[in-house]
Amino acid sequence: DTAVSQTPKYLVTQMGNDKSIKCEQNLGHDTMYWYKQDSKKFLKIMFSYNNKELIINETVPNRFSPKSPDKAHLNLHINSLELGDSAVYFCASTQRTSGGIEQFFGPGTRLTVL
Amino acid sequence: AQSVAQPEDQVNVAEGNPLTVKCTYSVSGNPYLFWYVQYPNRGLQFLLKYITGDNLVKGSYGFEAEFNKSQTSFHLKKPSALVSDSALYFCAVRDLGALSGGYQKVTFGTGTKLQVIP
Repeated sequence: DTAVSQTPKYLVTQMGNDKSIKCEQNLGHDTMYWYKQDSKKFLKIMFSYNNKELIINETVPNRFSPKSPDKAHLNLHINSLELGDSAVYFCASTQRTSGGIEQFFGPGTRLTVL
Repeated sequence: AQSVAQPEDQVNVAEGNPLTVKCTYSVSGNPYLFWYVQYPNRGLQFLLKYITGDNLVKGSYGFEAEFNKSQTSFHLKKPSALVSDSALYFCAVRDLGALSGGYQKVTFGTGTKLQVIP
């Protein structure tokens, strides 16, 4: 029944490592997003894909690379993790061709870099 | 650039009392405005939206929001607060953003923590 799912839910890793977060939506939506929520709960968009095509790419370090193998999946790979990458990362989806008004969010992945 | 402001980091209200969570916006054209709620350790959930039409918008869980164009505000309201309403509330605006090639980008406010006191 889960609409937007993310794995893993928690990720604890050492500085300098490379890690990936996966996102899947079963809503049939054509647009997916990655957001970063920092310790102060501020939510900032990172990337957006529409039908596997990158359409929004905010000012994010090159160490972050999204990949969309199909329109139901949007994964986030992070190279050379830094302390400042510690945050909660949310995936979201919407149907742009229907107006794209409401976004559906995943449960989040809490990344802790030690 | 389009933006929203939530002037209050936290709002405290007694259970059963009416609640208001404030939001003001800045857009170049017509605003598409939203409210989302985030419960602890959960993702954001859509509450309601304003696109056009009636200035009073009704949403989930008994919440409503009033669009006021002259004051550029979109405050969230509920007539009688419940303890279970305690959560983090985000106001958001749809930004068509020329740099995004016309694709939708939603800009979120900084969030307001609502604490309903039993």
